[in-house]
Amino acid sequence: EVQQLESGGGLVQPGGSLRLSCVASGLTFSRQAMSWVRQAPGKGLEWVSNIGGSGDITYYADSVKGRFTISRDNSKNTLYLQMNSLRIEDTAVYFCANRLVGARAFDDWGQGTLVTVSS
Amino acid sequence: QTVVTQEPSFSVSPGGTVTLTCGLSSGSVSTNYFPSWYQQTPGQAPRTLIYSTNTRSSGVPDRFSGSILGNKAALTITGAQADDESDYYCMLFMGSGISMFGGGTKLTVL
Repeated sequence: EVQQLESGGGLVQPGGSLRLSCVASGLTFSRQAMSWVRQAPGKGLEWVSNIGGSGDITYYADSVKGRFTISRDNSKNTLYLQMNSLRIEDTAVYFCANRLVGARAFDDWGQGTLVTVSS
Repeated sequence: QTVVTQEPSFSVSPGGTVTLTCGLSSGSVSTNYFPSWYQQTPGQAPRTLIYSTNTRSSGVPDRFSGSILGNKAALTITGAQADDESDYYCMLFMGSGISMFGGGTKLTVL
C-alpha cells in the first residue's frame, strides 16, 4: 500500500519561508515523478509543481515560479517544497501526490499539511 | 489566460445518471489533454477516479466512466449512490509540464 505523509506546515508571516516534506512508502520512489497540489480554504485544487524521478526536471505554476523550489532525496524517499517569499494567498493545504507513468495524472495522495500565511 | 471550466454544481437522484463536463475557455478538449478526474469529500484528500480520458484508477467502480463529449471531457456516474455526493475536479495537461484544474463541481445526491 502506497502511503505519503506530509509535514512541515504551520503559521508563517508574509515574506517568510517554510519547507514542506513528504515521505513516501510502498512504491519505488526513485522511479516516480511527484507533485505538489494545494487547496486554499473553501477553494478548489491548484497544481503547484512537478519533479521527475531523478530530480533533474521540474515544473512550476506561474503563481509560485521563482518563489518555490521542488526537490527530492531518493535515498530518503522524501519529496520537498521550499517556499520563500510567502504571501497571504499561499495559505492552503498542500498535498503531495505521485504521478501515473505516462498518464499526466496523479495516482496516490497524501493527507496534506496546512500552511497559514498571516501577520 | 486559458481557464478550465466545470459546472459549479449539479444534482442527481439516487440511482440516476449524471454527466459532469470539463471544458476550456478557449478551444476544445481532446485526448491530447489527458483529462483526469478526482473526487473529494470535505476534509479529505482527493481520490483519483479517471485518467487518460477514460481509464479507471484501481478500485474505482465501473459506474464511473470518462469520455470526450463534443468539445469537452466528461465524467458520467451511472446509478448514483448517496456516497457519491462529493466535489469533482477535472485536470488537463496543458503542455510543457503544466497541469490545470477546473474549478470543481459540487454534486448533490437527493
